[in-house]
Amino acid sequence: AQSVTQLGSHVSVSEGALVLLRCNYSSSVPPYLFWYVQYPNQGLQLLLKYTSAATLVKGINGFEAEFKKSETSFHLTKPSAHMSDAAEYFCAVSGPNMRFGAGTRLTVKP
Amino acid sequence: DAGVIQSPRHEVTEMGQEVTLRCKLISGHNSLFWYRQTMMRGLELLIYFNNNVPIDDSGMPEDRFSAKMPNASFSTLKIQPSEPRDSAVYFCAGTDTVDNSPLHFGNGTRLTVT
Repeated sequence: AQSVTQLGSHVSVSEGALVLLRCNYSSSVPPYLFWYVQYPNQGLQLLLKYTSAATLVKGINGFEAEFKKSETSFHLTKPSAHMSDAAEYFCAVSGPNMRFGAGTRLTVKP
Repeated sequence: DAGVIQSPRHEVTEMGQEVTLRCKLISGHNSLFWYRQTMMRGLELLIYFNNNVPIDDSGMPEDRFSAKMPNASFSTLKIQPSEPRDSAVYFCAGTDTVDNSPLHFGNGTRLTVT
């Protein structure tokens, strides 16, 4: 069965610092991978998705993720954190239904 | 706009009462998913439908939970009788049937059972 594991339930960075949120996947077939963001009192919103067209995927709000088959990873990064990035981030794998990681809460300090 | 509308946004009820959560898909979806989110267990898939047919309900906790999708754009999740441990945020999400399509989530229903 396909699954994802997010390393670190909480990540705290300073405004302007690099954001790195880790996700590893387990799949016997080429996976469809996603990152979602959840702001308080809202549903999840798609940040980006991997569809095998390119290993480096660019998403909204300056986020990007790199698919590394050798490491079974799909880590999410942003070069410079903004206060508005504070939220919970979920990695997910699809096929035939979407399965989510436990989530990583990102805190951005001024 | 492939929107998902959930109602109510908040529901407070007493243990033993019946609760019905509603989800309306605005357009562009063939599949509908119900998730439950809690601090302890994160996001759990309860059930999903494809073209109105339930495909996988293995995540439904027990017989007190039931879900229906009477047409292509509407679904209900019912809990009868409700218990305090059912308190959670319940999300509905839609997508088309392609595996690499993302989910479009509603804003959820926060259920509190006292």
